[in-house]
Amino acid sequence: EAGVAQSPRYKIIEKRQSVAFWCNPISGHATLYWYQQILGQGPKLLIQFQNNGVVDDSQLPKDRFSAERLKGVDSTLKIQPAKLEDSAVYLCASSLLPGTNEQYFGPGTRLTVT
Amino acid sequence: QQPVQSPQAVILREGEDAVINCSSSKALYSVHWYRQKHGEAPIFLMILLKGGEQKGHDKISASFNEKKQQSSLYLTASQLSYSGTYFCGTEMDSSYKLIFGSGTRLLVRP
Repeated sequence: EAGVAQSPRYKIIEKRQSVAFWCNPISGHATLYWYQQILGQGPKLLIQFQNNGVVDDSQLPKDRFSAERLKGVDSTLKIQPAKLEDSAVYLCASSLLPGTNEQYFGPGTRLTVT
Repeated sequence: QQPVQSPQAVILREGEDAVINCSSSKALYSVHWYRQKHGEAPIFLMILLKGGEQKGHDKISASFNEKKQQSSLYLTASQLSYSGTYFCGTEMDSSYKLIFGSGTRLLVRP
């Protein structure tokens, strides 16, 4: 089966600019996650969707980050305006069910903010 | 709430064994283990639910001590392909939120 798809793979922007990332989860997976992984650290959950509803977004900096999953399938994460500290790899993952099911990660988008 | 992993890094010779630990200050519902190679996505290894069960996957196994709120990942007879960063992710009671540790870097040399 096809894995989790993400685009773009790399993005370089200047601070205060905006950027958007796209994720297409594995077909049939109801739960979708966005993680931020700063170099040398573990993934940090930004937002979790169950179908097209938000389950957890407690660590999403809502003054600059937004995410949506309109039809319960693919998702978009946006940063506006970007800060230097947003430089990281943004990973999208999906799972068939929430909680105890394994998560399948996409290849990630490496964002560099200059 | 972030789990603490130890050691931070370990270097092995091919065929040697290693243990990676993951400890939490909070009660845990489950522990997930992932391996990430440089520049790649994390790959799922196994999930352990509270109850102290132990799981195995080829020559990689793990245990979960609910009372001590810690899990250990055992790599036996290590292979070159085991090199990478191992992350534990912990899940609290009544929450599906996964919190990852900072990782343990493992290097297996010939």
